[in-house]
Amino acid sequence: DSGVTQTPKHLITATGQRVTLRCSPRSGDLSVYWYQQSLDQGLQFLIQYYNGEERAKGNILERFSAQQFPDLHSELNLSSLELGDSALYFCASSVGITQGYTFGSGTRLTVV
Amino acid sequence: KNQVEQSPQSLIILEGKNCTLQCNYTVSPFSNLRWYKQDTGRGPVSLTIMTFSENTKSNGRYTATLDADTKQSSLHITASQLSDSASYICVVSPTSGAGSYQLTFGKGTKLSVIP
Repeated sequence: DSGVTQTPKHLITATGQRVTLRCSPRSGDLSVYWYQQSLDQGLQFLIQYYNGEERAKGNILERFSAQQFPDLHSELNLSSLELGDSALYFCASSVGITQGYTFGSGTRLTVV
Repeated sequence: KNQVEQSPQSLIILEGKNCTLQCNYTVSPFSNLRWYKQDTGRGPVSLTIMTFSENTKSNGRYTATLDADTKQSSLHITASQLSDSASYICVVSPTSGAGSYQLTFGKGTKLSVIP
C-alpha cells in the first residue's frame, strides 16, 4: 500500500456520460497530480493541485476538470466521455520537489 | 521541447542475468531524474531519484547512473528475478522551483524475465 488511495479501481461507463475519480493523498502530502495512461503509452500529465490551489496544467481536455478539497483529497471529473478516454488514470502525491512522487494504484476507466 | 527517450523499447532476459536500460533526455534546466518500476495495471513505484550532482544511486539490485553532461542515465539490474518483469520508466524534473513543476516521462522499457 503506497498510502495514496484511488477509488474506484475499475469503472465502466457509456459514451456521453460523466464520471468522478477520487484520490486521497498520502498523509502529509500537499500536492496531488493526475495522470492519464492510455494503452501502451507513457504517463501524460493532466493537472496538479497544491494545498487546494491549481498549480500546473498539462494536456487536460476542456471536458475534464479537477479540484482539491480542504481535506486535501482530490477529484477528477470527466464528462461527455468518448471511447478514446478509456485509460488508466493515476493520482500521485508529494511533499516537495526532491522527494519522489508516490502513485496510487490507479482507476481503470473503460468507455463503451 | 523537453523529451525523455528510453531504449530498448522492450527486452527479454533469462532469470539470473544482468541487464541495463538506457535513458536520454533533453530536459533543461534539469533538477532531478527518477527511475520508476511499473507492474502491469499498477501504479509506478519509485526505485531511485538522483539530483544533477549525483552520479550513481543504488536500491538493492537496482543501480542507476547519471551523466548530466551527456544527459544520459542508465538503470542496471543485477541477478534478475521473475518479479523484475515490469515496465521501467525514466522521469526527469525540469525545474527546481517550489510548488509547481511538471515531470517529463519516458515511455518506458518493458522488461520480461523468463525462467
